[in-house]
Amino acid sequence: GENVGLHLPTLSVQEGDNSIINCAYSNSASDYFIWYKQESGKGPQFIIDIRSNMDKRQGQRVTVLLNKTVKHLSLQIAATQPGDSAVYFCAEYSGGSNYKLTFGKGTLLTVNP
Amino acid sequence: DAGVTQSPTHLIKTRGQHVTLRCSPISGHKSVSWYQQVLGQGPQFIFQYYEKEERGRGNFPDRFSARQFPNYSSELNVNALLLGDSALYLCASSLVGGDRPQHFGDGTRLSIL
Repeated sequence: GENVGLHLPTLSVQEGDNSIINCAYSNSASDYFIWYKQESGKGPQFIIDIRSNMDKRQGQRVTVLLNKTVKHLSLQIAATQPGDSAVYFCAEYSGGSNYKLTFGKGTLLTVNP
Repeated sequence: DAGVTQSPTHLIKTRGQHVTLRCSPISGHKSVSWYQQVLGQGPQFIFQYYEKEERGRGNFPDRFSARQFPNYSSELNVNALLLGDSALYLCASSLVGGDRPQHFGDGTRLSIL
């Protein structure tokens, strides 16, 4: 079936560096995407979202890029901090009468001080 | 403002028992969704409720059921528990519309012995 996947299961960066987390999706009908951060023992925390009529959206220290041609999504974190260490998930919404989000397996980001 | 709250935070049950998990959405959110997250994986969609009606169901057996109350809170029920039901059960709430951010609680950690 359709799924959302991540290229890199783990990513280790130095504090202050920029981080890029990638995500590939296979459902061309998906029109809304969300990035979540999940720390140990907690639920997924909303970071940023983007709709399919956009190719870039910026938040505080984060930028999401969407390339519909190759069905690729990325999350860029500027000046990565130790507090950014967590598992990051991308999720897609493919429309329909329910609000089902389809998640990938996640990328573990480790920030070294 | 209070986020999504779930109770209990942890629960231990034995095979064959049943369990009820509870969720209170963010104030003003009328949609509630339930997800199951197995260790090392992304959340999997179980149900979505809006206006006390089931709007979507994921690929889960009939042992799983849910309901939504007039105050938009929700319960997830699981009967005849199996070892494989051990997981983190997450509740998410959102405004109406699939292209609205879903905000998650910290989940209920269910362990089946």
